[in-house]
Amino acid sequence: DAGVIQSPRHEVTEMGQEVTLRCKPISGHDYLFWYRQTMMRGLELLIYFNNNVPIDDSGMPEDRFSAKMPNASFSTLKIQPSEPRDSAVYFCASSLIGSGYEQYFGPGTRLTVT
Amino acid sequence: LAKTTQPISMDSYEGQEVNITCSHNNIATNDYITWYQQFPSQGPRFIIQGYKTKVTNEVASLFIPADRKSSTLSLPRVSLSVTAVYYCLVGDVERGTGTASKLTFGTGTRLQVTL
Repeated sequence: DAGVIQSPRHEVTEMGQEVTLRCKPISGHDYLFWYRQTMMRGLELLIYFNNNVPIDDSGMPEDRFSAKMPNASFSTLKIQPSEPRDSAVYFCASSLIGSGYEQYFGPGTRLTVT
Repeated sequence: LAKTTQPISMDSYEGQEVNITCSHNNIATNDYITWYQQFPSQGPRFIIQGYKTKVTNEVASLFIPADRKSSTLSLPRVSLSVTAVYYCLVGDVERGTGTASKLTFGTGTRLQVTL
């Protein structure tokens, strides 16, 4: 298995632009998680899905952030409009059974908003 | 959600055993204790999980006292390659039914191994 796949690996954009991050979870996993990591705030859970349905999005910082999972093999995290404070590494992870079980993380997308 | 407290950083020499302790005083009955390891520029990687007493795998051991208010991750004979950040998490292990409580990553313990 290729593991969790994220794209792009690096994204540099200007303030105000729309940013779309993509994730392909491990086949057969029922849970998908989006995290954000910064030096100041550490690793924060933004949202997670169970069987493509958003379960908890209380970690999404504001309305500029949205996430979708149209099918079991694909999810997107969109920021519109982007701001410099959104600069961070965004990780996607998937899990076979539940959020408490072993989560497999992707390599992350390093986002820089100038 | 149970809050965890762990040292910000630790130093060790190669070949020594490293013990990282995590406090979780308000752990709930259904909560499990999970440890992750994160290398620079990588996503976290699951190390070990336990509920009580002792759990051991090929990478580490996890010691949990009877009151479960703390836990200790033990890394035997560390090498330079285990220099990383270690996260202790506490949360309900949802087993495919209903909704799960979130696992919250804290700031972790930065372990530095030197020669």
